[in-house]
Amino acid sequence: SAVISQKPSRDICQRGTSLTIQCQVDSQVTMMFWYRQQPGQSLTLIATANQGSEATYESGFVIDKFPISRPNLTFSTLTVSNMSPEDSSIYLCSARGGSYEQYFGPGTRLTVT
Amino acid sequence: DAKTTQPPSMDCAEGRAANLPCNHSTISGNEYVYWYRQIHSQGPQYIIHGLKNNETNEMASLIITEDRKSSTLILPHATLRDTAVYYCIALANAGGTSYGKLTFGQGTILTVHP
Repeated sequence: SAVISQKPSRDICQRGTSLTIQCQVDSQVTMMFWYRQQPGQSLTLIATANQGSEATYESGFVIDKFPISRPNLTFSTLTVSNMSPEDSSIYLCSARGGSYEQYFGPGTRLTVT
Repeated sequence: DAKTTQPPSMDCAEGRAANLPCNHSTISGNEYVYWYRQIHSQGPQYIIHGLKNNETNEMASLIITEDRKSSTLILPHATLRDTAVYYCIALANAGGTSYGKLTFGQGTILTVHP
């Protein structure tokens, strides 16, 4: 199994600023993902974080708004840029190794005022 | 990935079996049925997955119909800690652009009562 930690666990930010969320996995994994969960909603995939190359974004999400880095097999960051209140959500990191199981971090609860 | 349909909510008495249904009538031959759950304020947790045979692990059992158009997740002895949103997801395990991308629907809110 893999244990995923995220920093920060929560934050309150002002509109127009940016926040970088860190995701650390305790073992090497092949795939890492970033999800968003808006209040009262299900999870929506933002992008697949690719090691050593640009992330692959899902429809409706763009690199300028959600730049992602993945420098190695255990770490990734997601930046939420130029934030607005609509960005208030829980952001979750996920990872998948050699098994079929996909693991999730505890999430980062972001509130934009 | 095939679309799945689940009831929005279900109730269960503590100690009884919870049977959560899922319809996936358009599932492809290479798509597995995955179940995850999300307890309040936590990240989703893997429960079980299967292709066409019934599966059992320490958490639950998964019953898949012979035509693979539907499945049932069984929690044999539900406890209050099993109260969560349960997601049924169809996913191909290898190959294709959707590999590894879990698509979450609205899931079933299971409430276990004392």
